[in-house]
Amino acid sequence: AQTVTQSQPEMSVQEAETVTLSCTYDTSESNYYLFWYKQPPSRQMILVIRQEAYKQQNATENRFSVNFQKAAKSFSLKISDSQLGDTAMYFCAFMKVTGNQFYFGTGTSLTVIP
Amino acid sequence: ETGVTQSPTHLIKTRGQQVTLRCSSQSGHNTVSWYQQALGQGPQFIFQYYREEENGRGNFPPRFSGLQFPNYSSELNVNALELDDSALYLCASSSYRPANYGYTFGSGTRLTVV
Repeated sequence: AQTVTQSQPEMSVQEAETVTLSCTYDTSESNYYLFWYKQPPSRQMILVIRQEAYKQQNATENRFSVNFQKAAKSFSLKISDSQLGDTAMYFCAFMKVTGNQFYFGTGTSLTVIP
Repeated sequence: ETGVTQSPTHLIKTRGQQVTLRCSSQSGHNTVSWYQQALGQGPQFIFQYYREEENGRGNFPPRFSGLQFPNYSSELNVNALELDDSALYLCASSSYRPANYGYTFGSGTRLTVV
């Protein structure tokens, strides 16, 4: 079974500062995908960034980057130059390469303070 | 290119009743998945439909059922509603192998069972 754990229910950051959201996971799979999704008040889940487990290089998307530690089963999200629009729930998620379902964590509520 | 549309946006039902939720998939997508997101939790996989057949199911009882139509839109039906069924129900469409080709989520249906 796959499990995803987000141990920070709530976080806040000052506008323009940097914040890191933590995620750990457990799986016996050797190849898989990891994701960070953002859920603003509109409720739609929006993909922030994706990492393939077989790639050693950490994924980056503009102000968003990850620190993927496969041996430690850790997958943290760093948001640089935080903006007010980054305020949302952030979910870490896992998917098997041959799978068809996400396994989500319980989420971290991020508030960017002006 | 249209996104994923879910209807209704909000719904209140009485315990024991039946409910049908609807989802129109994004243009070009042939797979639809349904997730249940209870308050304060991450989304949980209910099932996926591909080519009008169920293609994987999470840990949900048989009173949760679905349909996919030739135009790839989908319905989620829940019979004998229980109070614990109160949640946000998210629909997501994708091409087959969503980890490779991306998921598009709708904004969900908020179901309240009283």
